[in-house]
Amino acid sequence: EADIYQTPRYLVIGTGKKITLECSQTMGHDKMYWYQQDPGMELHLIHYSYGVNSTEKGDLSSESTVSRIRTEHFPLTLESARPSHTSQYLCASSGPVGGYEQYFGPGTRLTVT
Amino acid sequence: QKEVEQNSGPLSVPEGAIASLNCTYSDRGSQSFFWYRQYSGKSPELIMSIYSNGDKEDGRFTAQLNKASQYVSLLIRDSQPSDSATYLCAVLFRSNDYKLSFGAGTTVTVRA
Repeated sequence: EADIYQTPRYLVIGTGKKITLECSQTMGHDKMYWYQQDPGMELHLIHYSYGVNSTEKGDLSSESTVSRIRTEHFPLTLESARPSHTSQYLCASSGPVGGYEQYFGPGTRLTVT
Repeated sequence: QKEVEQNSGPLSVPEGAIASLNCTYSDRGSQSFFWYRQYSGKSPELIMSIYSNGDKEDGRFTAQLNKASQYVSLLIRDSQPSDSATYLCAVLFRSNDYKLSFGAGTTVTVRA
């Protein structure tokens, strides 16, 4: 079954640790996105990619980085986690070419202590 | 001015009633419009997409688009307690590198 996956679903980690949030999709989509959302608040786009080796920053400035080496995989990395990074991180994908409706993964809830 | 604006809510409707959600957008050239449902603590789920002026019906949901007025709405007929969620309006802006711009959402509560 075609789907979009995120791991881990929940992560509690100490300040200063490096973390990578994984996102994979099996829908053959060319476009992938990372959003940040605090409880009860708006979605904010932090990164997006329209294809392999193509990444762009989103509308909300973020200290995280992303890579797109494979079409189906779009990991997000925080080099040094801080309590201000505590949030829910949502990955989404869209495509193929011409399709812009986005489908979301289940999210990763990150808590930095 | 925000690119996509929605009713501030919350919207409380009795079970069986029609819930009406409104959304306006700033880019007259927008071509694609979407409604997402987000339950508390969950990720958004696409429930409707609309591309042409007029109405589009899918089960108990009807999306209405008026490009001249830059307005898109969602009607939920025969509202059920399971419809209690936040509804996000999303608009594709060609002027914004074809990214979706999301509204802040309208929270709907269906009273049994």
